Amino acid sequence: AQSVTQLGSHVSVSEGALVLLRCNYSSSVPPYLFWYVQYPNQGLQLLLKYTSAATLVKGINGFEAEFKKSETSFHLTKPSAHMSDAAEYFCAVSIGAAGNKLTFGGGTRVLVKP
Amino acid sequence: EPEVTQTPSHQVTQMGQEVILRCVPISNHLYFYWYRQILGQKVEFLVSFYNNEISEKSEIFDDQFSVERPDGSNFTLKIRSTKLEDSAMYFCASRGTGSGNEQFFGPGTRLTVL
Repeated sequence: AQSVTQLGSHVSVSEGALVLLRCNYSSSVPPYLFWYVQYPNQGLQLLLKYTSAATLVKGINGFEAEFKKSETSFHLTKPSAHMSDAAEYFCAVSIGAAGNKLTFGGGTRVLVKP
Repeated sequence: EPEVTQTPSHQVTQMGQEVILRCVPISNHLYFYWYRQILGQKVEFLVSFYNNEISEKSEIFDDQFSVERPDGSNFTLKIRSTKLEDSAMYFCASRGTGSGNEQFFGPGTRLTVL
């Protein structure tokens, strides 16, 4: 069975600073990996996905993530945080196909300080 | 841009009552899902649905739960006799065909069981 661990339930960054959200997965077969963002009182919006093509994946709003098989990681980064990045971020994995059931990590809430 | 919609946005019910949560998936999507998120916890998979039948369900999805696609546009989740622990945000998702396609989520229905 697959699982996802997100290190840090809360992250605080200053506006303009690097955003780094950590995600490690466990899967016995090659995974499909996703980052979703949830703004207050809204649903889950896809930021980016890894589907076994390029290991460095670029997403919306300036975010990117790198798939590292040796480290079983899929960390999310953004070079310069903006106030609008304040949200909760979820890493998720599916196996077999990108559309199979998603297994989510616990989420990381990002606070951006002016 | 097409989106998944859910109604109601908030449902309050008494323990033991039946509730039906409604979702309108993106129109050309064929795969449908329900997830839930208990306050402060992970997003959890409940059930997936394709070709008018359940394709996978979690251990959470017991006999109290059922899903239905009553017409060409709606996808519903019914809880027959709600319990206090059913209080959660329920998300519907849909996806198109193709192994690389991701799931698109609705804004969720917050269910409160009193």
